Amino acid sequence: ETGVTQTPRHLVMGMTNKKSLKCEQHLGHNAMYWYKQSAKKPLELMFVYSLEERVENNSVPSRFSPECPNSSHLFLHLHTLQPEDSALYLCASSQDGSRGTGELFFGEGSRLTVL
Amino acid sequence: TQLLEQSPQFLSIQEGENLTVYCNSSSVFSSLQWYRQEPGEGPVLLVTVVTGGEVKKLKRLTFQFGDARKDSSLHITAAQPGDTGLYLCAGERNTGNQFYFGTGTSLTVIP
Repeated sequence: ETGVTQTPRHLVMGMTNKKSLKCEQHLGHNAMYWYKQSAKKPLELMFVYSLEERVENNSVPSRFSPECPNSSHLFLHLHTLQPEDSALYLCASSQDGSRGTGELFFGEGSRLTVL
Repeated sequence: TQLLEQSPQFLSIQEGENLTVYCNSSSVFSSLQWYRQEPGEGPVLLVTVVTGGEVKKLKRLTFQFGDARKDSSLHITAAQPGDTGLYLCAGERNTGNQFYFGTGTSLTVIP
């Protein structure tokens, strides 16, 4: 596998369910991101992890909980979501620091539908 | 407030036509990227521009970074149906890990 891989590609869940999205990057990057993409809205940055430490949390509701166990893996734990949370959730990675190019490499996304 | 504004929001043209997409901001960026996203997929990086006034060409696509590093344009010559997709600009601030995405331009090239 190469690049950034996200699973599952599609997820349907009820408002009381608990589920998780998984992201894995095979690029040797040291920063990983979660973005939310809703219809007719710009990509919204949710979380950034650099060197496995969270460095950005753009006031995301606590029903979204990120986890970054190592530099290659990123999870987004979902609990008690609302229908308006239905969106495409994109994971990305980049090489941070002086050696970085400031470029994001995205996965194919996880399409989430909350009923 | 939206940091990066793209125009037009939607564009539908005939194959063979030329087009320009604009990405504007009042903020300065250390670099700016252009991505293309197809339905059901994640955005794919097309180019990164870093220097004010920089021009980069990728086959029929020409990218320009404004002199003040606040804006950018993407020009496509002789558009093809394969160019269809959502074009996104993204600016990186000096603080790092801060990528701000534009509102997007949805392009449809009709055969």
